[in-house]
Amino acid sequence: DIQMTQSPSSLAASVGDRVAITCRASQGIRNDLGWYQQKPGKAPKRLIYTASNLQSGVPSRFSGSGSGTEFTLTISSLQPEDFATYYCLQHNNYPWTFGQGTKVEIK
Amino acid sequence: EVRLVESGGDLLKPGRSLRLSCRASGFTFADYAMTWFRQAPGKGLEWVGFIRTTLHGGTTEFAASLEDRFIISRDDSRNIAYLEMHSLKTEDTAVYYCSRDGGSGDYKFDYWGQGTLVTVSS
Repeated sequence: DIQMTQSPSSLAASVGDRVAITCRASQGIRNDLGWYQQKPGKAPKRLIYTASNLQSGVPSRFSGSGSGTEFTLTISSLQPEDFATYYCLQHNNYPWTFGQGTKVEIK
Repeated sequence: EVRLVESGGDLLKPGRSLRLSCRASGFTFADYAMTWFRQAPGKGLEWVGFIRTTLHGGTTEFAASLEDRFIISRDDSRNIAYLEMHSLKTEDTAVYYCSRDGGSGDYKFDYWGQGTLVTVSS
């Protein structure tokens, strides 16, 4: 199975901060990765697909980069509505696997 | 508007069976594989399995730990995907989500249902 190591597991940041979350795959997955935002009690929402493509309707402060084994989700200027948990998901090889999640909290 | 609505979640005892439904609307259901995910209380997301389109045989893939107890099926005439769960265990307690999979990256897990809660407890 491909292991997705996501870091950090949590972070505290202020409105306006730049935030970066990384996922490292245990083997190459090309760009078969998405990033998801989840708020308490809600379903995950896709932010980024194929590593770097912004989902329609998602603010441009979100961006994704990487290929192969190293991936990054960046929020350029954190907004109040961005406090949530973020997950990466690889769909290159079964079983599809998620990172452990990163909880973004208010500092 | 694309919509996915799960139903069928319940409170039940270990060893019982349950069938969840995922009703789709707003897109051509037959053109999409359908995937199930789950999330145990306070935990991260987990892939359960998926079913390919009928055109691609309607075959399924599962997380290895679940494939002997879970079955996924689909009814393209009713736009519904099903997740049958047998010999339920307490560790199956989770919110179960369905999502569509159009194959290519841009249509992969772009829409999710709101989830349905399954609680397994004695």
